[in-house]
Amino acid sequence: AQTVTQSQPEMSVQEAETVTLSCTYDTSESDYYLFWYKQPPSRQMILVIRQEAYKQQNATENRFSVNFQKAAKSFSLKISDSQLGDAAMYFCACSTTSGTYKYIFGTGTRLKVLA
Amino acid sequence: EADIYQTPRYLVIGTGKKITLECSQTMGHDKMYWYQQDPGMELHLIHYSYGVNSTEKGDLSSESTVSRIRTEHFPLTLESARPSHTSQYLCASSEPRGGLGGRETQYFGPGTRLLVL
Repeated sequence: AQTVTQSQPEMSVQEAETVTLSCTYDTSESDYYLFWYKQPPSRQMILVIRQEAYKQQNATENRFSVNFQKAAKSFSLKISDSQLGDAAMYFCACSTTSGTYKYIFGTGTRLKVLA
Repeated sequence: EADIYQTPRYLVIGTGKKITLECSQTMGHDKMYWYQQDPGMELHLIHYSYGVNSTEKGDLSSESTVSRIRTEHFPLTLESARPSHTSQYLCASSEPRGGLGGRETQYFGPGTRLLVL
C-alpha cells in the first residue's frame, strides 16, 4: 500500500531562520511524483514545490527546496529565510502514474513562524 | 482567468436535508477530486473522476455521491445530511498524465465549510 508519513505535527521557526519539514513515503511504483502543498489558515491550498522521482536533482523554488533521497524514500522541505506568511499547514503528497492511480497526502505539519 | 470554484463557501443546514456542493474548474482538467478535511487535519479522498461519466470512490467511505456530466463540473450530493457530515469539503483538479503543465499537480478550490445541526 502507498503511504505518506509526516512525523512532525507541529514545528516552529524564528523569522529569517531556516526550517526543515520531514516526509517519508512508501510506494511500490517506479514512476511517481512528490509534492509539498501549503494551506494557510482559512485560505486555499496551493502547491509549493514538486519533484519527479526520475530526476536526481533536488527541486528548488525561490526560498523553498527539497532534499529528495530516493533510496531512503525521504522527501523533506527546507524553507530558508522564513517569513510570517510561511505560517501554514504543510502537506506532503505522493502521486503514482503507473498501475492503479493513487494520490496520497500525509497528515500535515503545522508551521509557526515567530516574529 | 483559469481557476477552480466552489459554492457555497459556508453552509449551515438541518439534519435530513438534501444538499449539493458545487465545484467547477475552467482549466480543462480531466481529473477532479473531492476531499473531506476537518479543520487543521489531514485530507481524506472521498471521490474522484478521470473524466466525463467517470466516478470512483476514494479511500474514505462517504455517504455522498458525485456525478461528472461535464468536464468542468463535479458536484457532490448528500441525500440526507447528518451532524457527522459536518466538515470542510475541498474540490481539486489536475492535469492528465500527458499534460504539458505541472503534471499531476492538484489545484484546489477554496472549500465549503458545512455545518449540519
